Amino acid sequence: QLVESGGGLVKPGGSLRLSCGASGFNFNNVWMTWVRQAPGKGLEWVGRIRSKADGGTTDYAAPVKGRFSISRDDSKNTLYLQMNSLKIEDTALYYCTAGIVWGHGTTVTVSS
Amino acid sequence: QAVVTQEPSLTVSPGGTVTLTCGSSTGTVTSGHYPSWFQQKPGQAPTTLIYEISKKYSWTPARFSGSLLGGKAALTLSGAQPEDEADYYCLVSDDYGRVFGGGTKLTVL
Repeated sequence: QLVESGGGLVKPGGSLRLSCGASGFNFNNVWMTWVRQAPGKGLEWVGRIRSKADGGTTDYAAPVKGRFSISRDDSKNTLYLQMNSLKIEDTALYYCTAGIVWGHGTTVTVSS
Repeated sequence: QAVVTQEPSLTVSPGGTVTLTCGSSTGTVTSGHYPSWFQQKPGQAPTTLIYEISKKYSWTPARFSGSLLGGKAALTLSGAQPEDEADYYCLVSDDYGRVFGGGTKLTVL
């Protein structure tokens, strides 16, 4: 299973770090992805990180590239999403997913 | 990034068959786009139904199937049940990563 945490209310221009704890599968070998969903809207792919065995590299969607950073700590079975220079349009429910399993999400609200 | 298009809404009768499609602005959807399909019910997290065009997980009901059809990815529901009423999203690869379609709201009525 996956459990996200770290969401909250932040002002525009601020930063937040989300975490996603994994259990029940071999986290080390899995590519992990962040997906978000703005209120009343569809799913939006945010970015992904490959497993260390596959290089551990990252890809990001255009709206977040240069502002968001994905990392992983395989020793802690944890995925992270560092969000900087937050904008109002980043307000959403943020999910982490391993493809086969999804977390329940954590809410990020960007508002002054 | 690619723009991925889905039917905004579809209606199917109970027991009926419906096909949802997923097209890409970059052209024909192929196996190289690794299309996946997700179901999301109100207030719930998404669940993955189909990956790599047509592969299923153990929890994917047999009535759902994935394919490539007319240059698009397709999700076919054969024998619709009331519990299949939900939003359905496709996900495909592009040159930068992955992109979701806008979703299809499926009504079983």
